[in-house]
Amino acid sequence: AQSVTQLGSHVSVSEGALVLLRCNYSSSVPPYLFWYVQYPNQGLQLLLKYTSAATLVKGINGFEAEFKKSETSFHLTKPSAHMSDAAEYFCAVSDGVNNDMRFGAGTRLTVKP
Amino acid sequence: DARVTQTPRHKVTEMGQEVTMRCQPILGHNTVFWYRQTMMQGLELLAYFRNRAPLDDSGMPKDRFSAEMPDATLATLKIQPSEPRDSAVYFCASGLTQGAAGYTFGSGTRLTVV
Repeated sequence: AQSVTQLGSHVSVSEGALVLLRCNYSSSVPPYLFWYVQYPNQGLQLLLKYTSAATLVKGINGFEAEFKKSETSFHLTKPSAHMSDAAEYFCAVSDGVNNDMRFGAGTRLTVKP
Repeated sequence: DARVTQTPRHKVTEMGQEVTMRCQPILGHNTVFWYRQTMMQGLELLAYFRNRAPLDDSGMPKDRFSAEMPDATLATLKIQPSEPRDSAVYFCASGLTQGAAGYTFGSGTRLTVV
């Protein structure tokens, strides 16, 4: 069964600084990987997805993630944090066969002025 | 924009009562998921359906929870009887087979059992 591990339940950065949220996956087959964002009292919104095409994936709001098979990682980055980026971020994996999506525990991003 | 609609948005009920949560998936989506979110457990997959047939409900407490899709436009999650430990936000998500496009989430039902 596939799973993801998000390193760091809380990440705090200053406005304008680099954002790096870490995600490692485990899957017995080539995975589909996703990053979702959740703002307070809202559902999850898809930021970006990897589905075996380009390894560097660009998403909404200036975020991108790179699939590294050798490291089984799919870290999320943004060059310059904005106050509006403060939210909870979830990494998720699906095997493309059973299609059930499994989520990591989430990382809460705080952006300081 | 197409969206997944969940009702009610909030529900407060007394322990022992039946609770029914509803989800209208995006038209044309053939895969529907139910997740539960709590501070302690995070996002837990409870059940999911493809073409209205249940594929996996191993994450769901069978003695009190049940999930159904009476038709392609409605998915339901029932808890009977409800318990305080069921208090959580329940999310429905829908998508297409293979899941390569990701899934679209509803806004959730916040359930409080007192």
